[in-house]
Amino acid sequence: ETGVTQTPRHLVMGMTNKKSLKCEQHLGHNAMYWYKQSAKKPLELMFVYNFKEQTENNSVPSRFSPECPNSSHLFLHLHTLQPEDSALYLCASRSDGNTEAFFGQGTRLTVV
Amino acid sequence: GENVEQHPSTLSVQEGDSAVIKCTYSDSASNYFPWYKQELGKGPQLIIDIRSNVGEKKDQRIAVTLNKTAKHFSLHITETQPEDSAVYFCAATLMNRDDKIIFGKGTRLHILP
Repeated sequence: ETGVTQTPRHLVMGMTNKKSLKCEQHLGHNAMYWYKQSAKKPLELMFVYNFKEQTENNSVPSRFSPECPNSSHLFLHLHTLQPEDSALYLCASRSDGNTEAFFGQGTRLTVV
Repeated sequence: GENVEQHPSTLSVQEGDSAVIKCTYSDSASNYFPWYKQELGKGPQLIIDIRSNVGEKKDQRIAVTLNKTAKHFSLHITETQPEDSAVYFCAATLMNRDDKIIFGKGTRLHILP
């Protein structure tokens, strides 16, 4: 285990549903990331939060809405998704002075 | 922004042989180059990294080399074993606390018995 926990592990949702992905770390890290992993594509950075403030929004559609209430928790709120949004969504965290990013196991999202 | 190219996309090697994966990066400011291994059903995990002030680093059967002038770096796995079968990602970033880590597309490594 890396110390980064994502829930749920699997999620199937309809295009009109609203759901949220959760990421939690108690490693004392202050930077948290959302990545999207699709087949045959590189890991795509979606959002970066540092000390609860969003420092990067990598041109992500507004149907994805991140929330970082504190340095230990990160959410990704989903609404009116499209089938092409089906992917593995990975959360990672990192701290000052430590270059290693720790990843969670991901949430496998399927949009039907 | 940074762009990382990784080759090959798939690699099959006989157990016991060596495997080499190559990456190039575009941003000369990048100074930290990690390699991640992703096994089935898991998130990526760091296996080795190298900083721009070092040309080579080794950890048991894995080694990484960096050529800053040419902006490319490589992962070398010697004496491959079945448990080395996985997807490997190279990445490039700045060693800042919140800087984004840009990944290559990944290499699926198959170790043949």
